[in-house]
Amino acid sequence: AQSVTQLGSHVSVSEGALVLLRCNYSSSVPPYLFWYVQYPNQGLQLLLKYTTGATLVKGINGFEAEFKKSETSFHLTKPSAHMSDAAEYFCAQKRGSSNTGKLIFGQGTTLQVKP
Amino acid sequence: GAGVSQSPSNKVTEKGKDVELRCDPISGHTALYWYRQSLGQGLEFLIYFQGNSAPDKSGLPSDRFSAERTGGSVSTLTIQRTQQEDSAVYLCASSSQVNTEAFFGQGTRLTVV
Repeated sequence: AQSVTQLGSHVSVSEGALVLLRCNYSSSVPPYLFWYVQYPNQGLQLLLKYTTGATLVKGINGFEAEFKKSETSFHLTKPSAHMSDAAEYFCAQKRGSSNTGKLIFGQGTTLQVKP
Repeated sequence: GAGVSQSPSNKVTEKGKDVELRCDPISGHTALYWYRQSLGQGLEFLIYFQGNSAPDKSGLPSDRFSAERTGGSVSTLTIQRTQQEDSAVYLCASSSQVNTEAFFGQGTRLTVV
């Protein structure tokens, strides 16, 4: 069965520090992977996605993620955190090779950015 | 419309009452999802519609929950005999093809008192 695990429900970094949010997936077929961000009292917004091709994908606001099949991971990074990055981040996957498009989410990671 | 629209944005209801939540997906999107987000929790999958296929209802928590999608467009999520534990934000999303990203609405905040 598909599942998504986000390690760490809360991550705190200082402004200007590296952001690393961890995501591991479980899928018997190559997945399509996504990171979404949710700012307080707002809906979810797509940060980036991996479908096929280049395993390092770049998204909005300076975020990027690397698909590592050998590690079944899709960790989200940003070199330098800004205060405005404080939000909740969700990793998600879909089956990549069937017509079953159910989107499965991890439990989310709340990112706190300290001045 | 330009995005996924959900109504109402907020709903307060008394325990035991039925509620209907509406979702207008992006025009032309064939896939539609409903999720529930409780305070401090992640996104709980409820139901998924894809074109004319039978919906995936595997996430509906009880038989008090049901959803339909009329004409392949608007969807309504119905919760019968609401309970306090149903209080949550209900999110709707749509996507244009099976394997592309989903676009989310702003959600309906349901409070059962």
